[in-house]
Amino acid sequence: GENVEQHPSTLSVQEGDSAVIKCTYSDSASNYFPWYKQELGKGPQLIIDIRSNVGEKKDQRIAVTLNKTAKHFSLHITETQPEDSAVYFCAASQGGSEKLVFGKGTKLTVNP
Amino acid sequence: NAGVTQTPKFQVLKTGQSMTLQCAQDMNHNSMYWYRQDPGMGLRLIYYSASEGTTDKGEVPNGYNVSRLNKREFSLRLESAAPSQTSVYFCASSVRTGGYTFGSGTRLTVV
Repeated sequence: GENVEQHPSTLSVQEGDSAVIKCTYSDSASNYFPWYKQELGKGPQLIIDIRSNVGEKKDQRIAVTLNKTAKHFSLHITETQPEDSAVYFCAASQGGSEKLVFGKGTKLTVNP
Repeated sequence: NAGVTQTPKFQVLKTGQSMTLQCAQDMNHNSMYWYRQDPGMGLRLIYYSASEGTTDKGEVPNGYNVSRLNKREFSLRLESAAPSQTSVYFCASSVRTGGYTFGSGTRLTVV
């Protein structure tokens, strides 16, 4: 089955810097790659996603890139702000199904 | 528009007790899911339902049962709770091959 590895597990940056979180997946049939943000005491919230027919997608300060050949995808946050502090999860679809397999999460801290 | 609603938000059980976690969505989504979240383990799928009347096991189904009561509701039952089931439980729903909408979670402690 699908396996998703996420790095780093913790990331600390200064306000205004960029943050990058990387994930690798194992199933070449996976075709959907969402990213979730989880604030303390809340459920994960979808922030951006990308499908396998697209190499890059951007939404304001957030971007995701996908390299299908290398089976990895990354989340890029520019001009970080303290409110970006949260746990971020990547996920990959299990083959072409609607089930998602999640990475173990990255705790991002943005220091003022 | 409430999205995905989970009840209860907190629960403490004694070993061997049973309980049902409730989940309802009002987005007309076909698919619903139950995940558990443990420190350092990410989110692991317990059961999912692709449509009303169908359910399937996920990665960690042992000790749990589910019921897809109708399109809106998907419940998770612990028949005989064990300390290893102490966790935060999330319900989610989605359209096919779309992003999930998660509930706010149920924090369960088994003593």
